Amino acid sequence: DAGVIQSPRHEVTEMGQEVTLRCKPISGHNSLFWYRQTMMRGLELLIYFNNNVPIDDSGMPEDRFSAKMPNASFSTLKIQPSEPRDSAVYFCASRPSSSGNTIYFGEGSWLTVV
Amino acid sequence: AQSVTQPDIHITVSEGASLELRCNYSYGATPYLFWYVQSPGQGLQLLLKYFSGDTLVQGIKGFEAEFKRSQSSFNLRKPSVHWSDAAEYFCAVGAGNGTPLVFGKGTRLSVIA
Repeated sequence: DAGVIQSPRHEVTEMGQEVTLRCKPISGHNSLFWYRQTMMRGLELLIYFNNNVPIDDSGMPEDRFSAKMPNASFSTLKIQPSEPRDSAVYFCASRPSSSGNTIYFGEGSWLTVV
Repeated sequence: AQSVTQPDIHITVSEGASLELRCNYSYGATPYLFWYVQSPGQGLQLLLKYFSGDTLVQGIKGFEAEFKRSQSSFNLRKPSVHWSDAAEYFCAVGAGNGTPLVFGKGTRLSVIA
């Protein structure tokens, strides 16, 4: 079975540019999470969705960040405008309703803002 | 609120030696506990999990972990470490009610010959 699929895997962009990260969760999973990983702060939850509805976005650092889940098989995390401090690995993860709390991670999107 | 503490930022062990990575959690009810491993450049992979029942759980790659309620701990162990075990290890706690997991800061494991 295909796992959580993220794109792009790597992106280098200039400060001020818009960045869009994409995620396709595992088919049949009804929860989707966006995490950010940095050396300083570790793994932070940015936002999560249940059945395509955003439940908690309190981890989104500021208004420059937005996330959408237009359907059960696709989500985006957008940063506009991007700043160098946004450089991090962004992980998408999904969870089926039947597995308790086990979540499954994608390979991550490695973002560098210069 | 839930929280996880992994006291060791970095551990170095010799290949073939035993390993124990520490994890302490804070949660008022019975927790759902997890260990994930992250190899360089990769996502997080589930090693093992504890929901209920036997407090010693077995995972993939020869890892095991023991839930000790009295100590609020869920330490990860392996009797003989292989060079391929070098990675970052994350402990996580969940409430079992559909809310997201809370992760520790991770422990980086280095394996030397």
